[in-house]
Amino acid sequence: GNSVTQMEGPVTLSEEAFLTINCTYTATGYPSLFWYVQYPGEGLQLLLKATKADDKGSNKGFEATYRKETTSFHLEKGSVQVSDSAVYFCALTNSGGSNYKLTFGKGTLLTVNP
Amino acid sequence: NAGVTQTPKFQVLKTGQSMTLQCAQDMNHEYMSWYRQDPGMGLRLIHYSVGAGITDQGEVPNGYNVSRSTTEDFPLRLLSAAPSQTSVYFCASKRRDSDYGYTFGSGTRLTVV
Repeated sequence: GNSVTQMEGPVTLSEEAFLTINCTYTATGYPSLFWYVQYPGEGLQLLLKATKADDKGSNKGFEATYRKETTSFHLEKGSVQVSDSAVYFCALTNSGGSNYKLTFGKGTLLTVNP
Repeated sequence: NAGVTQTPKFQVLKTGQSMTLQCAQDMNHEYMSWYRQDPGMGLRLIHYSVGAGITDQGEVPNGYNVSRSTTEDFPLRLLSAAPSQTSVYFCASKRRDSDYGYTFGSGTRLTVV
């Protein structure tokens, strides 16, 4: 079955530091890949997505590139802010007609200090 | 546009009690799912539905029932609450033909004592 492995946290950075959160996956075929963000006390929000190999998803300064050869979708941001403190989840769905199941990694807690 | 609405936001139950967590969406999404979130475990799929009248089990279905009589509503029933069901529950929905992933509700924090 599908699985997602992401870097375990917590990750603590100073403001303006560079962020990388690693994510690798196991899936059949060509899954769609997602990063979700959960701010304290809230539900999950879609941060970015990529639906085919070599696609780059981007939003709010965050980027991730769909690397089929390494089955990876690492999240990066060049300069983090205190407001980026949250839990980040990597996730995938199968493509096409079986895209109803979203499989999550365990989440990575990011804390950014001023 | 309200999105995905979950009620209640907080609930305390005694062991053995039953209750229903409500979930409603106003986006005419075909797919709906229930997840539970536990520390260190990420989100795990409890039950899902691909349309009105169609439901199926996810990873952790034991102790939970669902039904989908309308496109809008997807309630989750706890039949006889146990302390192991203490968790945060999220409902989510998406369009069948969308690449944009699921839209999540704000969650229900359930404590079983």
